[in-house]
Amino acid sequence: DGGITQSPKYLFRKEGQNVTLSCEQNLNHDAMYWYRQDPGQGLRLIYYSQIVNDFQKGDIAEGYSVSREKKESFPLTVTSAQKNPTAFYLCASRYRDRGRENYGYTFGSGTRLTVV
Amino acid sequence: AQSVTQLDSHVSVSEGTPVLLRCNYSSSYSPSLFWYVQHPNKGLQLLLKYTSAATLVKGINGFEAEFKKSETSFHLTKPSAHMSDAAEYFCVVSDRSGTGKLIFGQGTTLQVKP
Repeated sequence: DGGITQSPKYLFRKEGQNVTLSCEQNLNHDAMYWYRQDPGQGLRLIYYSQIVNDFQKGDIAEGYSVSREKKESFPLTVTSAQKNPTAFYLCASRYRDRGRENYGYTFGSGTRLTVV
Repeated sequence: AQSVTQLDSHVSVSEGTPVLLRCNYSSSYSPSLFWYVQHPNKGLQLLLKYTSAATLVKGINGFEAEFKKSETSFHLTKPSAHMSDAAEYFCVVSDRSGTGKLIFGQGTTLQVKP
């Protein structure tokens, strides 16, 4: 079955460490997105990529980095510069029909990152 | 700029009674609107979406939403709540700039009492 796989499900990081969250999709979707979710808040966009080898900053990109070397993969690195990284991270991809009128999104099941 | 406001952070209903989750949006052009549901520590599941076709949109699990342009609202309803409906619900608008960015409301927690 096609879908988005995020790993790991739970991740613990020590202060000062970089960690990388994996996001893989086999849906052949062009665009991919990373969102951060904090309690009592909606999701906020970190980075997005519309095509391979290209990505743009979202609303809260500071302290994060991404790469898009393959269409299927969009890993997110949480660097030591991110002062408050404890959160739930969701990856999403978007399909868009050729007519551009019909489109939708698929979400992964998330990674919960905790700083210890 | 587009934005979404969910008017209630928590809603509590009894099983078998109607559900109403309220959402207002702000958009300078005709928006695409979505309702997503999230169960604890899970990803988001699409309930329904509005993309300028019929104003009354039917979704999964008996949910529906009505797009009212004059009121800039997109409220989610269900005639009869089930215990399994207890979850977090997000009203979302899609950025029409072509990037596909989603703009989320703050979320509404639905509690269903037996």
